[in-house]
Amino acid sequence: GESVGLHLPTLSVQEGDNSIINCAYSNSASDYFIWYKQESGKGPQFIIDIRSNMDKRQGQRVTVLLNKTVKHLSLQIAATQPGDSAVYFCAEKVVSGGYNKLIFGAGTRLAVHP
Amino acid sequence: SQTIHQWPATLVQPVGSPLSLECTVEGTSNPNLYWYRQAAGRGLQLLFYSVGIGQISSEVPQNLSASRPQDRQFILSSKKLLLSDSGFYLCAWSVERATSGRSRNTQYFGPGTRLTVL
Repeated sequence: GESVGLHLPTLSVQEGDNSIINCAYSNSASDYFIWYKQESGKGPQFIIDIRSNMDKRQGQRVTVLLNKTVKHLSLQIAATQPGDSAVYFCAEKVVSGGYNKLIFGAGTRLAVHP
Repeated sequence: SQTIHQWPATLVQPVGSPLSLECTVEGTSNPNLYWYRQAAGRGLQLLFYSVGIGQISSEVPQNLSASRPQDRQFILSSKKLLLSDSGFYLCAWSVERATSGRSRNTQYFGPGTRLTVL
């Protein structure tokens, strides 16, 4: 079936470096994607979203890139900080039974080292 | 502003006991509501969603049920817990219609309930 997956389950970076977390999706009809951050023991927190009519969207220290040709999504975090350590999930919107639902990837753990 | 609450935060229950987890949303009307389960170190699995009072859709066959007795209240239940029901249960909401600053596609999550079945 359709699914969203991630290339790397764990990513270790040095504090101050840039981080790139990747995600592949398989539903070519998906028109909306979200990145979430989940800290240990907490619920996922919305970071940034992007619609399929865009290739790039920037937030505060984060950028999401969408490549529809290869169905690839990435989250870039600039100047990674210890507080960025968490599990990051991508999600795609699908329409099922007339309703919008989100399909989540397995997640990538980001570990920031001093 | 909108907030979402879940309780209890943690729960340890014996196999075969009943379960009731509660989720409430404040600051919005007629939200879409969702229950997810997250196994340790894994992604999120959608269990139920609701677009209105008394309207529940189940995503996967399981030992659990959901109810929505009020507009902003969503309850997850079980009559007899199994070991495999252990996990982190997350409630989420989304707006029914897009508003200023809120996409109806974005879901906002509660703090979660950690359930351990022994």
